[in-house]
Amino acid sequence: NAGVTQTPKFQVLKTGQSMTLQCAQDMNHEYMSWYRQDPGMGLRLIHYSVGAGITDQGEVPNGYNVSRSTTEDFPLRLLSAAPSQTSVYFCASSYMENTEAFFGQGTRLTVV
Amino acid sequence: LAKTTQPISMDSYEGQEVNITCSHNNIATNDYITWYQQFPSQGPRFIIQGYKTKVTNEVASLFIPADRKSSTLSLPRVSLSDTAVYYCLVGDKGATNKLIFGTGTLLAVQP
Repeated sequence: NAGVTQTPKFQVLKTGQSMTLQCAQDMNHEYMSWYRQDPGMGLRLIHYSVGAGITDQGEVPNGYNVSRSTTEDFPLRLLSAAPSQTSVYFCASSYMENTEAFFGQGTRLTVV
Repeated sequence: LAKTTQPISMDSYEGQEVNITCSHNNIATNDYITWYQQFPSQGPRFIIQGYKTKVTNEVASLFIPADRKSSTLSLPRVSLSDTAVYYCLVGDKGATNKLIFGTGTLLAVQP
């Protein structure tokens, strides 16, 4: 079991570029989520999903898109990167009946 | 959603017991209290969850008074490797896809 796998681990983008952060889990979890963490702060929810084909917005969704075509994958797309999106991004998954969420190792994104 | 308040930081020494208190005055009837641990450059990791009274597992204990307006995470005999940020979260037990994190408590364990 690999758990929750995020790629890439590090990325530098120029302002205006687009990219997709990948997240995959092999635990057959229905729930998946994306968070961002800025320095010295807790995680903030960007988007989440309760199953394939179903997504919803979290606290800070602007500038990001998601889709959930399979149970395993939940990619996060940055449409036009801005310096304010410089952050560490975490993907998480959980089974709906579980009490805990499992997090990936994070993607450190810098937008210059 | 219930808001939580924790100390920003705490210091301890190896071998001591550490208690981190979290205040959640407007906790709802259906809300559970969950603690996560985060090491630098890693994602958070679940530690413990409870609804009332006391819960204990192999790494920590969670004490919740009858009014549930606060909770205390207890870490027995901490070591250097327990240096991390500890987050107290309050919410529906099944809402593991939309966790609400505060700023957490940075625990620094010294030799």
